[in-house]
Amino acid sequence: QVQLQQSGAELAKPGSSVKISCKASGYTFTSYYISWIKQTTGQGLEYIGYINTGSGGTNYNEKFKGKATLTVDKSSSTAFMQLSSLTPDDSAVYYCARIRGTLDYWGQGVMVTVSS
Amino acid sequence: EIVLTQSPTTMTASPGEKVTITCRASSSVSYMHWYQQKPGASPKPWIYETSKLASGVPDRFSGSGSGTSYSLTINNMEAEDAATYYCQQWNYPSTFGAGTKLELK
Repeated sequence: QVQLQQSGAELAKPGSSVKISCKASGYTFTSYYISWIKQTTGQGLEYIGYINTGSGGTNYNEKFKGKATLTVDKSSSTAFMQLSSLTPDDSAVYYCARIRGTLDYWGQGVMVTVSS
Repeated sequence: EIVLTQSPTTMTASPGEKVTITCRASSSVSYMHWYQQKPGASPKPWIYETSKLASGVPDRFSGSGSGTSYSLTINNMEAEDAATYYCQQWNYPSTFGAGTKLELK
């Protein structure tokens, strides 16, 4: 069965970076793009961008350019998102999701808390 | 950026009641997708390409619409349908509605 397993919760200091992972299983990893979504109580769901898991090509929401960097490791069927120069506004739950027309499978989410 | 406006923001419905949630786009989109989210869980695909039910979704759900106006309808509300529903479109950048919280009366 298709699964997207994300890494664990992160507690980070302002100005630092975090890198969260999304390991896919149960399907051919390079056949589908992976999208990343931010969820906060105040802003709801926000689309960060997606990565072509075959070529590594990326597409970012303008709002997250410079904030998020998406990469993949095809050998381990894992997608990564690095968030840099963290501020309290980056505190949120971050999801990865497979794109198949719609977002058809989601990871369990990673809570990132930015606090000094 | 296309803004998706969902209404109502919150609603309650009794078992057996018909429920309609609307999603209005600030510009025309080709399709609308819908997700269901329950507390502490990830969103789940619910309706895709405006009117197609995702796997496992009961057929009391339906979706319709075109252009800038879309809706999700539940015929005969059941307790398990209480959740938050989000609409989403794929024109760049993809955007989501703010969600409609549906509660059981």
